[in-house]
Amino acid sequence: AQSVSQHNHHVILSEAASLELGCNYSYGGTVNLFWYVQYPGQHLQLLLKYFSGDPLVKGIKGFEAEFIKSKFSFNLRKPSVQWSDTAEYFCAVDYSAGNMLTFGGGTRLMVKP
Amino acid sequence: GAVVSQHPSWVICKSGTSVKIECRSLDFQATTMFWYRQFPKQSLMLMATSNEGSKATYEQGVEKDKFLINHASLTLSTLTVTSAHPEDSSFYICSASGLAEYRKTQYFGPGTRLLVL
Repeated sequence: AQSVSQHNHHVILSEAASLELGCNYSYGGTVNLFWYVQYPGQHLQLLLKYFSGDPLVKGIKGFEAEFIKSKFSFNLRKPSVQWSDTAEYFCAVDYSAGNMLTFGGGTRLMVKP
Repeated sequence: GAVVSQHPSWVICKSGTSVKIECRSLDFQATTMFWYRQFPKQSLMLMATSNEGSKATYEQGVEKDKFLINHASLTLSTLTVTSAHPEDSSFYICSASGLAEYRKTQYFGPGTRLLVL
């Protein structure tokens, strides 16, 4: 079955620390990849997406993600986190190119001031 | 751009009543809308997909007679929870995608928290 794995369920960092959240998917064909963020009490917002081209994708708020096809991974990174980055982060994969998303279980990030 | 709203943001109802949740795309035409359910501290579970003017496609295990979805216009989809019971209490989220720059990406609404007493 097609799945999306986010191995880190909870991450706690201090401000200014670097962040990397893992996302692995299970299919070897063409996929579209997304990272969404859900701030406390708010709706899911698109951070960044990858369809094709440069495997290093820049998103909003200083986030980036790298698509590594050989590893079936799309890890999210930020060089220096802020307290305001405290949120839940969801990786999602469109396996069908038909805009049907499979979500990972989410990673809850807490940034200590 | 790509703003999706939901109404109401929360609703409390008695067991056995029906509840309607609206999902609107405010600044683009939503050719496809999606309805999800999110349980506490869990990820999103897709309930159904609807294309404007067509019947919704429900995921396995989702009762289509209980969760009625209508997508009658390019800016509005509704989810009606019929004869709601306490186990239907959840956070319901819609998303929308459209044409051109709004293709191949889902834009999410703020969610509706339903509590059935």
